[in-house]
Amino acid sequence: EVQLVESGGGLVQPGGSLRLSCAASGFTVSSNYMSWVRQAPGKGLEWVSVIYSGGNTYYADSVKGRFTVSRHDSKNTLYLQMNSLRVEDTAVYYCARERGGTVTHFDYWGQGTLVTVSS
Amino acid sequence: DIQMTQSPSSLSASVGDRVTITCRASQSISSHLNWYQQKPGRAPKLLIYAASSLQSGVPSRFSGSGYGTDFTLTISSLQPEDFATYSCQQTYSFPQTFGQGTRLEIK
Repeated sequence: EVQLVESGGGLVQPGGSLRLSCAASGFTVSSNYMSWVRQAPGKGLEWVSVIYSGGNTYYADSVKGRFTVSRHDSKNTLYLQMNSLRVEDTAVYYCARERGGTVTHFDYWGQGTLVTVSS
Repeated sequence: DIQMTQSPSSLSASVGDRVTITCRASQSISSHLNWYQQKPGRAPKLLIYAASSLQSGVPSRFSGSGYGTDFTLTISSLQPEDFATYSCQQTYSFPQTFGQGTRLEIK
């Protein structure tokens, strides 16, 4: 059974750092495209970052230069290192597996972890 | 970035009703459109991908249609468990973007 479990969220001051983890089971993270998607309170979903199976990474303009996505293959875990956090980064962060050939989509999501940036 | 606009933003309906939610893209996205259902405090769940393909395990009362810029999600006969927020997503161009969501409430 495919499962994604995020952890690492919490309260952090503006300018601080946090690292999120997403532990996967039932499939191999390194063989898939894996994304982070966030949802600010009362707002819609916003794609944040992706790491491709080949290791290439891409980011939304809103987090480029501050966030870094990575994975640990032997732990089958995805990470999101978040630096220089801003109040507007407050959100529930989800990891998701991206599937599909021509038309990609997220077929499995974690339960989310809440990041609150506040002084 | 491609903007995705859903209508309505919220909708009240009764069990058994037929409901249609619309998603419009700011430019053509071919059939690169997905629909998700989200309940409070829960992760999104994939319903429809590639505009009209039903995800495995999703009830057949859900259907999707459209191409280019205009898309619809239809629930043929609302069930109590269908009251949730529905979001569309385009994966045609980088960065992928989502609609703002349509909240479906019980009348």
